[in-house]
Amino acid sequence: NAGVTQTPKFQVLKTGQSMTLQCAQDMNHEYMSWYRQDPGMGLRLIHYSVGAGITDQGEVPNGYNVSRSTTEDFPLRLLSAAPSQTSVYFCASRLGTMGTYEQYFGPGTRLTVT
Amino acid sequence: AQSVTQPDIHITVSEGASLELRCNYSYGATPYLFWYVQSPGQGLQLLLKYFSGDTLVQGIKGFEAEFKRSQSSFNLRKPSVHWSDAAEYFCAVGLNTGGFKTIFGAGTRLFVKA
Repeated sequence: NAGVTQTPKFQVLKTGQSMTLQCAQDMNHEYMSWYRQDPGMGLRLIHYSVGAGITDQGEVPNGYNVSRSTTEDFPLRLLSAAPSQTSVYFCASRLGTMGTYEQYFGPGTRLTVT
Repeated sequence: AQSVTQPDIHITVSEGASLELRCNYSYGATPYLFWYVQSPGQGLQLLLKYFSGDTLVQGIKGFEAEFKRSQSSFNLRKPSVHWSDAAEYFCAVGLNTGGFKTIFGAGTRLFVKA
């Protein structure tokens, strides 16, 4: 198993540009989430999905869109990047209602918006 | 509102010394409790978790944590720190309220000196 994979590892954007952060998992997990990590703030939940076709907002959803067309993939879209979105982004997955709620994290994407 | 507090932003210990990282949570019921570790440039990895039962839980890499309901705490301990333990440690609370959500603390960075 590859676990949770994320691409790209690093990205630099100019203000106003758009991009998609990719996330995939091969563990057949129902739940997938996107977090951002900022110094001194831990991880904050952006969006999450409880299964294909179902997504919901987390704590800091503004400026981000998600979709979940398959169980495996959960891309995060920035429609118009802003410097405030400079951060490290982590995708995570876990089993659904069965399981121990342990989350499996990808290696992260470091995004800089200039 | 539910919250997780890690009072120490960073801690420095000597190699071979004991370690205790503090975590307090604010939640009305007994939550699911987790400790994750993040090595530089990596995603988060689960160290241990508590759901119920024995309040002293053992994890990977020689770590343990003790749940104290009266203090709303879940402190992480290790009797003898190795240089490879230098990392950032996150305490997290899992809340099973109309869907399972995980709230992370801000993290404690551990430095290990020779």
